[in-house]
Amino acid sequence: GAVVSQHPSWVICKSGTSVKIECRSLDFQATTMFWYRQFPKQSLMLMATSNEGSKATYEQGVEKDKFLINHASLTLSTLTVTSAHPEDSSFYICSATGTSGDQETQYFGPGTRLLVL
Amino acid sequence: QQQVKQSPQSLIVQKGGISIINCAYENTAFDYFPWYQQFPGKGPALLIAIRPDVSEKKEGRFTISFNKSAKQFSLHIMDSQPGDSATYFCAASGADSWGKLQFGAGTQVVVTP
Repeated sequence: GAVVSQHPSWVICKSGTSVKIECRSLDFQATTMFWYRQFPKQSLMLMATSNEGSKATYEQGVEKDKFLINHASLTLSTLTVTSAHPEDSSFYICSATGTSGDQETQYFGPGTRLLVL
Repeated sequence: QQQVKQSPQSLIVQKGGISIINCAYENTAFDYFPWYQQFPGKGPALLIAIRPDVSEKKEGRFTISFNKSAKQFSLHIMDSQPGDSATYFCAASGADSWGKLQFGAGTQVVVTP
C-alpha cells in the first residue's frame, strides 16, 4: 500500500542552526502534502499545506519565514526549521493525500523528532 | 480554538471490554471523520473513517457511530486487547479543505490484561 517516509527520524541540533526534514511519498504521487507538529502529550496541529510547484499555505500563527516549506516534486516536500530554538523541539509529522483503490486517502509519515539544545 | 472536542482524556479498560471515545464538532462543513491510532514515537495510523451519509461503519473490532444532527461521532473498540493500548485521535475535514485535518485532543487508552 501507499507509504510516506520521513528523513531523518530524529535530529539533535544546536540553537541557532537550521534543520531540514524530508517527506517522501513512495509508490504514489502526492500533489498535496501537509506538515503537522505535535508537542509531548498533545494533539497534532496543522502547520501548513504544501502544494507541488507553488507556495505553501501556512496556518494562522505559524511563521512562514521560520518554517520554510518546499514541494519541488510530486513525491518530495521538505520542511526547514530555520534558526531553531529549544521551543521548536517537537515531533514533526508530514502527510500526503493519495488514492487507494478508488478512494482518496491521507497517509501519515512516521514523524521526525527534533531536539534543539 | 479546538474545532473537534474529544473525551475522555484517558481510559482504562479490561481485556475483552469495550472502549468508547466520543467526539463533537461545530463546523457543519466537515464531511470526513477519521479516527487515528498512535503509538509512542510513531506517526498516526488511520483506523477507520466515516462520511455523514451513513450513521455507522464497522471494520473488524472498530465501529464508528455518527450522529449528524447532534454533530457527534464516537469510536467503539470491541473486545479490547492489550495491543490496543495507544492514543486515539478523532479528526475532521471539509470538502473544501480535503486533507486539512482538525484533530481532537486525543484519548490515551490502556487495556489491562
